[in-house]
Amino acid sequence: QLQLQESGPGLVKPSETLSLTCTVSGGSISSSSYYWGWIRQPPGKGLEWIGSIYYSGNTYYNPSLKSRVTISVDTSKNQDSLKLSSVTAADTAVYYCARHLWLTLHAFDIWGQGTMVTVSS
Amino acid sequence: QSALTQPASVSGSPGQSITISCTGTTSDVGGYNYVSWYRHHPGKAPQLMIYDVSKRPSGVSNRFSGSKSGNTASLTISGLQAEDEADYYCNSYTSSSTWVFGGGTKLTVL
Repeated sequence: QLQLQESGPGLVKPSETLSLTCTVSGGSISSSSYYWGWIRQPPGKGLEWIGSIYYSGNTYYNPSLKSRVTISVDTSKNQDSLKLSSVTAADTAVYYCARHLWLTLHAFDIWGQGTMVTVSS
Repeated sequence: QSALTQPASVSGSPGQSITISCTGTTSDVGGYNYVSWYRHHPGKAPQLMIYDVSKRPSGVSNRFSGSKSGNTASLTISGLQAEDEADYYCNSYTSSSTWVFGGGTKLTVL
């Protein structure tokens, strides 16, 4: 059974770079059928798509975050990673990684449990 | 890109039916049959309930159904149960090759 697990620092200082990793277990991140996405939820607010990556490295980003976001994939570790630069308090959120069936179901079908990241000095 | 528009809250009694709307534009909801719906219990991972406007993933109850008319998609839950109390989000593909969520709807089972 495929599982996703987010990991990374729970506290980041303003202006620094937020870095998170999503580890895929029970399946291969290199499958040609899937993209891998990142979604976040600020406290008291709704879900926001951050971006998605294909195992080959092809990426798509939310235009509102594009200048600060980098998503990458490490097939040898079965992981993908999110980096968000120049963070502010507005980037405080629960960050989820998810399997993105971009080409087939056009939906996010398996999600990690999420990890809370707080931006504060 | 702007979030899709959902009502902030809806409510219903056990056994009743409710419908949650999700309004976008011709560049997202109206332009593609790639609308999905998610149920989110706070503190847990969101769960896919509907994809491609009206299709149910394996294991999702047939009490959940989806539809679309023009720029508005809808999620209907029939036979409301206590476990349905959660936040619900729609999501759509856009003409910019991006994805956008709705603002979310809190469902209260009275």
